Amino acid sequence: EPEVTQTPSHQVTQMGQEVILRCVPISNHLYFYWYRQILGQKVEFLVSFYNNEISEKSEIFDDQFSVERPDGSNFTLKIRSTKLEDSAMYFCASSIPVSTYYTFGSGTRLTVV
Amino acid sequence: ELKVEQNPLFLSMQEGKNYTIYCNYSTTSDRLYWYRQDPGKSLESLFVLLSNGAVKQEGRLMASLDTKARLSTLHITAAVHDLSATYFCAVDILVWTVSDGLTFGKGTHLIIQP
Repeated sequence: EPEVTQTPSHQVTQMGQEVILRCVPISNHLYFYWYRQILGQKVEFLVSFYNNEISEKSEIFDDQFSVERPDGSNFTLKIRSTKLEDSAMYFCASSIPVSTYYTFGSGTRLTVV
Repeated sequence: ELKVEQNPLFLSMQEGKNYTIYCNYSTTSDRLYWYRQDPGKSLESLFVLLSNGAVKQEGRLMASLDTKARLSTLHITAAVHDLSATYFCAVDILVWTVSDGLTFGKGTHLIIQP
């Protein structure tokens, strides 16, 4: 069964450093999403991406965040200057047009120290 | 702003018992999802409910949707320990064919004791 692959599975970074989280969506999917989940809390929508541009973003997705699909297969989330409160599990998801199903990746646990 | 409320947030129950988790959402949405999450793991899709009166069942889990009441339920029948997990409901709204992203409830942390 096709999977959404995320790397790394765990990243530790110092406050103020830039991090890039990587995702490889399912190959025929066209819609891509990033979500985050602070430990023990609910899953929160960050951003959706379609046709090489952001289609929706939440209040959490401020100027410190950016997304990119640099090469037609990877979908990345960059956090420019990490803060302690960015520590969370970040999930990538993808879907096909008009589909009711999202496929979630296994997540990247980001720890900012 | 779309809000999703789940209750209870924490549930401890014995094997063999039945229970229901409730999910209310604040505005009209297009789709209602139920996910399961084991500790430290990703989200596993359980059900997608699309229309009023929709009912889906898989094993000991059954989900239903009442769009008029903006309410979905996840019913657990004769619970077994393997169903211990956190259960999330989520909704989204389609803008044309593009989802604006899922809005999740806080989750119900379910512990099933022998």
